[in-house]
Amino acid sequence: AAGVIQSPRHLIKEKRETATLKCYPIPRHDTVYWYQQGPGQDPQFLISFYEKMQSDKGSIPDRFSAQQFSDYHSELNMSSLELGDSALYFCASSFSGSGYNEQFFGPGTRLTVL
Amino acid sequence: SQQGEEDPQALSIQEGENATMNCSYKTSINNLQWYRQNSGRGLVHLILIRSNEREKHSGRLRVTLDTSKKSSSLLITASRAADTASYFCATGNQAGTALIFGKGTTLSVSS
Repeated sequence: AAGVIQSPRHLIKEKRETATLKCYPIPRHDTVYWYQQGPGQDPQFLISFYEKMQSDKGSIPDRFSAQQFSDYHSELNMSSLELGDSALYFCASSFSGSGYNEQFFGPGTRLTVL
Repeated sequence: SQQGEEDPQALSIQEGENATMNCSYKTSINNLQWYRQNSGRGLVHLILIRSNEREKHSGRLRVTLDTSKKSSSLLITASRAADTASYFCATGNQAGTALIFGKGTTLSVSS
């Protein structure tokens, strides 16, 4: 079965640079979520989109923005990168019709900021 | 604020033994989900238990839910070395638009 695809899998950036992470949800899933997981930490919700509209916002810094496109893929844009942004970034998708918010996660993008 | 709190934080057992992990949460829920994460890898969805269910099984996994105590447990029976991973419980936020994860339990199964 198709899973959530994230690219790139690994990314190394310098401080103050920008980064763009991409997420391709499971086919027919209409909701996308972004999470950040620091070393040894639990995943923290950043932002979500339903049918291309932002549905909720968590602890996402103002330096970050995201959007969901007409084909349901999503991109997380990160600017003015800081050392503390080094983390695993997960995208998850779900189908709103299931009623239970069962989310399926991608393999993650490991961002390292030097 | 943290929705789920898990204990123990770390658990070491031998192959063949059972492993039990507990999770507590704070607010009312629609469902509770358990995920597994191998070191530095993605989160794998294990099982979802609805708020009107008390127990659910999936293979060697058994999940219980006690909404009166706002707690859940995950039991892995006859553990294997391949079960070594971190296990997280997660509940939906009030809007039902995101998951809030517990701190996780790191399970080590030695052969």
